[in-house]
Amino acid sequence: GQQLNQSPQSMFIQEGEDVSMNCTSSSIFNTWLWYKQDPGEGPVLLIALYKAGELTSNGRLTAQFGITRKDSFLNISASIPSDVGIYFCAGENTNAGKSTFGDGTTLTVKP
Amino acid sequence: GAVVSQHPSWVICKSGTSVKIECRSLDFQATTMFWYRQFPKQSLMLMATSNEGSKATYEQGVEKDKFLINHASLTLSTLTVTSAHPEDSSFYICSAALTGNGQAFFGQGTRLTVV
Repeated sequence: GQQLNQSPQSMFIQEGEDVSMNCTSSSIFNTWLWYKQDPGEGPVLLIALYKAGELTSNGRLTAQFGITRKDSFLNISASIPSDVGIYFCAGENTNAGKSTFGDGTTLTVKP
Repeated sequence: GAVVSQHPSWVICKSGTSVKIECRSLDFQATTMFWYRQFPKQSLMLMATSNEGSKATYEQGVEKDKFLINHASLTLSTLTVTSAHPEDSSFYICSAALTGNGQAFFGQGTRLTVV
């Protein structure tokens, strides 16, 4: 089946720093999604990308859908302590909500 | 809008018993819902697609007789873990999508511990 490779696996940064994480796939997806999961909670959608090359922002978050449809990155600017959590990329092809998830990037922000 | 609620949030059960987990879309109708399982420090793995009014579609390697899924209405899907064993202990998460755009909204998850 389709697999998503997400990197880095974990990041330890200082408050105020910018963060970048990315996701690559061996196959094409029509939709790329970025989620954040806090401990003991379900994932919360951050950004959805629908078109190759699309660049979308949500506050301090920016994500891009790669031209080849096989990759995406998420940037977080000026990190704050509440950014701590696990960030997952997910790919989707059916537009029906069935997603394949990456392995996640665990973000730790030091005050 | 687009709120998905799971119940219970956590459950502890004895080995050999069955546990039912509910997933509700509170403010929209969902003809399709999805059930995922997440082990500690791992990603979400899709278990099955729950289809309203028809049989669920299971992913490869997921036992349909062990993980019973019922989607009796447009706002409710249930997952029953039958004859639970300690290795079934996990975080179970459901999602439902708004039709047409692929955006899935997740429940808060259910922590199942089988002792």
